[in-house]
Amino acid sequence: AQSVTQLGSHVSVSEGALVLLRCNYSSSVPPYLFWYVQYPNQGLQLLLKYTSAATLVKGINGFEAEFKKSETSFHLTKPSAHMSDAAEYFCAVRVDSNYQLIWGAGTKLIIKP
Amino acid sequence: GAGVSQSPRYKVAKRGQDVALRCDPISGHVSLFWYQQALGQGPEFLTYFQNEAQLDKSGLPSDRFFAERPEGSVSTLKIQRTQQEDSAVYLCASSPRTGDQETQYFGPGTRLLVL
Repeated sequence: AQSVTQLGSHVSVSEGALVLLRCNYSSSVPPYLFWYVQYPNQGLQLLLKYTSAATLVKGINGFEAEFKKSETSFHLTKPSAHMSDAAEYFCAVRVDSNYQLIWGAGTKLIIKP
Repeated sequence: GAGVSQSPRYKVAKRGQDVALRCDPISGHVSLFWYQQALGQGPEFLTYFQNEAQLDKSGLPSDRFFAERPEGSVSTLKIQRTQQEDSAVYLCASSPRTGDQETQYFGPGTRLLVL
């Protein structure tokens, strides 16, 4: 069965600092991987997705993620945090022939001024 | 264009009451998903429609939960005889085509509180 683990329910960084949100997955077959962001009182919005075309994926708002098969990881990074990045971030996995997305528990990103 | 909309945004129900949650997907989207998100958790899959056909309902937690999409557009999630453990945010998502790579576009959710 597939699963997703996000390390750290809360991550706090200073404005301008590197953002690193961790996601590890388990899957017996090559997965499709997604990062979504959820701002307060808003719906989930896609940041980026990995579909096997390239291991380094660039998304919106300056975020990117790297697929590392050997580590079964898909960590999300941004070189310099902005106050507007404060939100909850979810990693999700989807496997061939399975309709559903399997989600991590989410990581709340806090930006300190 | 308009995104996915859901109504009501908030619903308070007494235990034992029936509720109906509505989802209006993006026009023309083939696939429609329902998820349940408990407080502090990621979403959990409930059910999936391709047009009007319900192809997967494996995530529905009990036979009190029922979903339909009769004309392949608007969908309704119905919960009968609500229980306190049903309190959660119910998310609807749609995607333009089928396929594992397709992005799902989410509505703002309906927050259900069962007292």
